[in-house]
Amino acid sequence: AQSVAQPEDQVNVAEGNPLTVKCTYSVSGNPYLFWYVQYPNRGLQFLLKYITGDNLVKGSYGFEAEFNKSQTSFHLKKPSALVSDSALYFCAVRENYGGATNKLIFGTGTLLAVQP
Amino acid sequence: DVKVTQSSRYLVKRTGEKVFLECVQDMDHENMFWYRQDPGLGLRLIYFSYDVKMKEKGDIPEGYSVSREKKERFSLILESASTNQTSMYLCASRGGSEGQETQYFGPGTRLLVL
Repeated sequence: AQSVAQPEDQVNVAEGNPLTVKCTYSVSGNPYLFWYVQYPNRGLQFLLKYITGDNLVKGSYGFEAEFNKSQTSFHLKKPSALVSDSALYFCAVRENYGGATNKLIFGTGTLLAVQP
Repeated sequence: DVKVTQSSRYLVKRTGEKVFLECVQDMDHENMFWYRQDPGLGLRLIYFSYDVKMKEKGDIPEGYSVSREKKERFSLILESASTNQTSMYLCASRGGSEGQETQYFGPGTRLLVL
């Protein structure tokens, strides 16, 4: 079965420290991977995606993610956390059943709390 | 920029009422999606549509229906609202061509069923 897992419900980090939010996936074929962020009472905002190419993907707000095929992981990272980064983060993988209607499978989300 | 709008940010309805949630996108996207979001469960797909008048069931379609009469508009209908449908509802859209893999989300509608 195709799936995505976010093993941590919450990640706590001090402002200025590096942060990592973990994501692992299981999908047939080449993965299409995404990270979204959700601020309180808002919809999801697209951060970045990996389709092909360089394993290190850069996205919005200084975030980046590293695709690791052997470990089937796509961890979200930022060198220096800000209090304003505190939010709920979702990892997603696109189904690979063929065709244009492949859907996204979302993880359960990781709450990032950055302490001042 | 892609813009996805939802008709209401907050709704309060009574059990048994028929509820309509509207979603509009302005990017001529072929694909549109309705999700519900609940704590600890992430996003679960209710229905999606890949073209006008076309619809497919997602993972949790029971108790819901959808309508897509125009390309830009995708409606979610709760035929008879129940308390277990209290949730955050998110609409999303995506283009249908290769290279248009990103889904764009609306702001969400928080529905409370009493």
